[in-house]
Order: sequence, then structure tokens, then C-alpha cells
Amino acid sequence: DTGVSQDPRHKITKRGQNVTFRCDPISEHNRLYWYRQTLGQGPEFLTYFQNEAQLEKSRLLSDRFSAERPKGSFSTLEIQRTEQGDSAMYLCASSRDGLEAFFGQGTRLTVV
Amino acid sequence: AQSVTQLGSHVSVSEGALVLLRCNYSSSVPPYLFWYVQYPNQGLQLLLKYTSAATLVKGINGFEAEFKKSETSFHLTKPSAHMSDAAEYFCAVSPNTGGFKTIFGAGTRLFVKA
Repeated sequence: DTGVSQDPRHKITKRGQNVTFRCDPISEHNRLYWYRQTLGQGPEFLTYFQNEAQLEKSRLLSDRFSAERPKGSFSTLEIQRTEQGDSAMYLCASSRDGLEAFFGQGTRLTVV
Repeated sequence: AQSVTQLGSHVSVSEGALVLLRCNYSSSVPPYLFWYVQYPNQGLQLLLKYTSAATLVKGINGFEAEFKKSETSFHLTKPSAHMSDAAEYFCAVSPNTGGFKTIFGAGTRLFVKA
């Protein structure tokens, strides 16, 4: 098991463009989480999946953000019409039954 | 509702000195509590967790933390700091009712002086 994998590690995009990030959780982890972390802050919860069902979305997640986990395995996070304020580290984590979350190394997004 | 407050955004210690990172939590239900460490441009790594068993929890790399319900605290300690301990440390809380959302503090950056 190689842990939680995120791709890409870094993404630079122009304002207004769409971006998509991928997360591959630890195999057989039924829960998957997306967090956003800005400089000097702790991770902020964005959304959570149990298997393929998206069970909660933070109010931080505007309509421009969408996440999927189509077969209960990998997940994607898409940001449409990116804004400079979207620049952050996007972290994915997974767990079995909601206890200890294992984090990926994150995708750093820079919107220019 | 749950929240975490980490006292001190920066802590500086000398190599070999005691490390003490402070965390206070607020939770309307019995909590699970965690400490994570983050190195630059990396994800978070779990140091230790409290899940309503022993109140003194031992983790990796010589760290430990004590759950004090009366003080709503979960401070992280290490008897002797190493240079490799320099990193960002996050305290986190989640409900113990099978909760799925972990709330993180703002973090404390630990500096270790030679």
C-alpha cells in the first residue's frame, strides 16, 4: 500500500480556467475527505464521501467547486472559472470508518 | 459544534530542551483528539490520537499528549527536542460518535535552535 496519492502535485493556471485534481485513497478505505489549506492556516474541511456518496459539503465550497467519487475508489475535485482566491494547497485524506485520517501530499494550486 | 485553539503560532526551543505545544478544544460531544505534523510542501502525518482510552497518549518520534477533560486541553510534549522536529504541528478534533469531519487548529510552527 503506497498511501494516499494526489495528482498533480503542483498546478499553475490562469484565472478563469477550469482545473481538476485527482485523489487515490488507501485501498479499501471507505471514507474520503477533501481539505483546503492556505498559507499559515490549518486545513479547512471542504467535503466528505462515504464510499461513492457525498455526505457533506462545507459552506466554503462554492458552486464553482464539484467533487465526485464515482465508484467509491478515486475522487476528483474540479474548480470551474478559477479565481486568485482559490490559490491554496488542496489535501485529500482517507480513513476506514472515520477514525484516523491518512493524508496525501497535496496539490498546490496557483491561480495567476 | 467543535473547535480547536492552538496557543502560540510560533514556538522556539533549543535542541535538547522540552517541547510544549498547547491545544485547547471545544466540543459538544465527547471528542477524539489528534496531533498531526506537517513538513514543508508535504501532507499531514499523524503523531498521536486520543480515542477515550488512556488519557496519556504516546505517539511517534517521542511525542506524547495528555487529555485533560477539566481543562479541555490536549497539549503535546516531548522531553528533548531534535533539529528534525522543526515543522508545523496541528491539533485536531472530531466527534467520537462516528463523526466524519475533523476540525483543525491554525497550527504552531516549531523552531529548534542548535
